[in-house]
Amino acid sequence: GQQLNQSPQSMFIQEGEDVSMNCTSSSIFNTWLWYKQDPGEGPVLLIALYKAGELTSNGRLTAQFGITRKDSFLNISASIPSDVGIYFCAGQQNYGGSQGNLIFGKGTKLSVKP
Amino acid sequence: DVKVTQSSRYLVKRTGEKVFLECVQDMDHENMFWYRQDPGLGLRLIYFSYDVKMKEKGDIPEGYSVSREKKERFSLILESASTNQTSMYLCASTRAGVSPGEYFGPGTRLTVT
Repeated sequence: GQQLNQSPQSMFIQEGEDVSMNCTSSSIFNTWLWYKQDPGEGPVLLIALYKAGELTSNGRLTAQFGITRKDSFLNISASIPSDVGIYFCAGQQNYGGSQGNLIFGKGTKLSVKP
Repeated sequence: DVKVTQSSRYLVKRTGEKVFLECVQDMDHENMFWYRQDPGLGLRLIYFSYDVKMKEKGDIPEGYSVSREKKERFSLILESASTNQTSMYLCASTRAGVSPGEYFGPGTRLTVT
């Protein structure tokens, strides 16, 4: 099936640093989503993007929908220990008013040193 | 708030056993999904359902089946568990039509020995 390339696979950063991760695809998507998964839990939706070029923030998180509709990035500013977890991107295509299934990246594992 | 619950957080089963993983959502969502999550492989779609008694294969359906007898409940069945089915299993649901993403349950970590 389709695949998303998510990078980096893992990051080890110091508390207070900014974080950047991205996803690219060979396919065009109508929606880009970013999820966070805490250890031992299911993924939780952080940000949804619906238009090419859209820039959306949620607290210290900022995500952008790439102009080509084939990529997206997520930034976390001033990281804190509770940012630890796995971040997933997901792309979604819409068909005649209905959403297609999500295509997930393989995740970016974030570790934050206090 | 949407709530997706899964019947067990942890399960240990023996090779060859029939295993049932249950998922229930309380928001009247039409669409339900089963994924497995493995390190380095991300989330892979096993089966999904857009309506009661309806099911569709995802990317990795081999060795699994599903049942959707009621709108709120979607069951994943391992007919004869094998060690390569040791994994984290995640259930998700969403409303039909264009909606932002899926809501996930907490996951079931299944170990097959």
